Amino acid sequence: GAVVSQHPSRVICKSGTSVKIECRSLDFQATTMFWYRQFPKKSLMLMATSNEGSKATYEQGVEKDKFLINHASLTLSTLTVTSAHPEDSSFYICSADVGGHTPFNEQFFGPGTRLTVL
Amino acid sequence: AQSVAQPEDQVNVAEGNPLTVKCTYSVSGNPYLFWYVQYPNRGLQFLLKYITGDNLVKGSYGFEAEFNKSQTSFHLKKPSALVSDSALYFCAVRDGRSSASKIIFGSGTRLSIRP
Repeated sequence: GAVVSQHPSRVICKSGTSVKIECRSLDFQATTMFWYRQFPKKSLMLMATSNEGSKATYEQGVEKDKFLINHASLTLSTLTVTSAHPEDSSFYICSADVGGHTPFNEQFFGPGTRLTVL
Repeated sequence: AQSVAQPEDQVNVAEGNPLTVKCTYSVSGNPYLFWYVQYPNRGLQFLLKYITGDNLVKGSYGFEAEFNKSQTSFHLKKPSALVSDSALYFCAVRDGRSSASKIIFGSGTRLSIRP
């Protein structure tokens, strides 16, 4: 099946610094990737839809300048948490759709990145 | 707007017994429904999906789900639970046909299988 990787798997940073998280589709091309945030024992909250070659589409309430998304190629999307604060600590998960001519595909999820801001 | 509801935060089942994790949906058109499982500190793994066709959908690890249009439900089932099935389960609905369509998740149900 399709594989999505994330790097790093875990990061600890100081308050005020920026952190970049990478999401890669390893064996397929993804014109669209999605970024989610998950709080402990909670469901996934869609943050934004990352579109290759164009601007990301953010969900209501998500700060564009805080969470910068760049989808530079068909296999890579990055999420940068700028000027991180302790309340940004969370589990961040990306996903991608295989796309193609088959409709209603399931999305494939990365293993997640645990961000802790001190 | 599309939505799914998982009424149970936690389901406890003895190993070897059948299990059911409930999900109801609300959609404006045809429902595209999914079940995912998440193990601790891991991403989500796809279990099964309903798009059209047979109401009983079979998926990974012996799981199946029954689509019931009249009750707007898509409950996840397994005839005989294993301890290794203990995890967090999410029901989800997709809001369109394209690869850019969003997936909306339910609140999740923690399944605990006791030996």
